[in-house]
Amino acid sequence: SAVISQKPSRDICQRGTSLTIQCQVDSQVTMMFWYRQQPGQSLTLIATANQGSEATYESGFVIDKFPISRPNLTFSTLTVSNLSPEDSSIYLCSVEREDSYNEQFFGPGTRLTVL
Amino acid sequence: AQRVTQPEKLLSVFKGAPVELKCNYSYSGSPELFWYVQYSRQRLQLLLRHISRESIKGFTADLNKGETSFHLKKPFAQEEDSAMYYCALSESNTGKLIFGQGTTLQVKP
Repeated sequence: SAVISQKPSRDICQRGTSLTIQCQVDSQVTMMFWYRQQPGQSLTLIATANQGSEATYESGFVIDKFPISRPNLTFSTLTVSNLSPEDSSIYLCSVEREDSYNEQFFGPGTRLTVL
Repeated sequence: AQRVTQPEKLLSVFKGAPVELKCNYSYSGSPELFWYVQYSRQRLQLLLRHISRESIKGFTADLNKGETSFHLKKPFAQEEDSAMYYCALSESNTGKLIFGQGTTLQVKP
């Protein structure tokens, strides 16, 4: 498996500000993903974080709103910009290792509340 | 379009009763399907995948390509099975997971 930590675990932010979420893995991984889980909803993939290049965003998600960095094989950040109450969600990082046969391991999530 | 459907938002059974959590999918290629589980105050974790064909915690799931289903079953539910269960499909060329809406399983004593 992989041990994944996320910081912060929760935050309350004001409208119009930004929040950067960090995801740290205890070993090098091939793939890193960012998901959003809105209240009462399932997980929706925001983007695939690519090491050394721009993230690959899913339909409905754009770089200006959700800039992502992945400077190495164990770390990634997701920023949620220009926050509005609709951004209140749990944001999860997941990783896939080369030997995990498409199994993804999930971080504990970051619970964001926007006032 | 790729899609995973879990028709039941909530499934409530008594301890010892059989459980079946339904999952149907739509995928143009050869699907790889998973069941993930999230217990209270724990992170999302893999329960089982169709490729391994194994039983985990008494749960099994069989891929039925004709019916495009991957239902999760357990013959005798236990209280500790109470959790949120997500069916997910992996895109073969990207590794992306597409999740169903999730089913809350509530096992009553």
